[in-house]
Amino acid sequence: AQKITQTQPGMFVQEKEAVTLDCTYDTSDPSYGLFWYKQPSSGEMIFLIYQGSYDQQNATEGRYSLNFQKARKSANLVISASQLGDSAMYFCAMREPAIQGAQKLVFGQGTRLTINP
Amino acid sequence: ETGVTQTPRHLVMGMTNKKSLKCEQHLGHNAMYWYKQSAKKPLELMFVYNFKEQTENNSVPSRFSPECPNSSHLFLHLHTLQPEDSALYLCASSQRTSGRGEQYFGPGTRLTVT
Repeated sequence: AQKITQTQPGMFVQEKEAVTLDCTYDTSDPSYGLFWYKQPSSGEMIFLIYQGSYDQQNATEGRYSLNFQKARKSANLVISASQLGDSAMYFCAMREPAIQGAQKLVFGQGTRLTINP
Repeated sequence: ETGVTQTPRHLVMGMTNKKSLKCEQHLGHNAMYWYKQSAKKPLELMFVYNFKEQTENNSVPSRFSPECPNSSHLFLHLHTLQPEDSALYLCASSQRTSGRGEQYFGPGTRLTVT
């Protein structure tokens, strides 16, 4: 079974610093996808970034980048130049193989990131 | 409207009430999902609908009854709930098999069962 582990329940970072949120995964499937979502206090899960298992380069989206280390089965999210609005819960997720069509995601426990002014 | 919408945003109901949560997606997706998010727990997948067909029911109690009349709308009918059912209920949608498989979420319904 696929599994996502986020070992940091909470992180506190000074504004403008970079922050790395850890994510490790376990799967026996050679083809998989990894996602990061942000959940502000409002509740909505916001899709941030995606990394495919066969992608040659680490994914980047603006201030977000994914440090993908396939051999170590880790997919850490890096946020550069953190802002107060980055304070939120962050979830790492993995796509499960599609059965009967719909692709499912399995989520980690999440990391609560707090940016201090 | 764009994206995924959910109504109501907040709901307080007694254990003997019957209510429904509504989800609508405007993204042209063909798979929809219900999740439950309780405090200090990862997201729990409840139901998956693929082209209006239910393809997954993760051992959800029968007091939760989903309905998907078309690929844009998803309902969760609630009856005789328990206090432990209080949680944030999130709806999501995605493309069925093509693409990366990312899911787009609505803002959720915060449910309190009294």
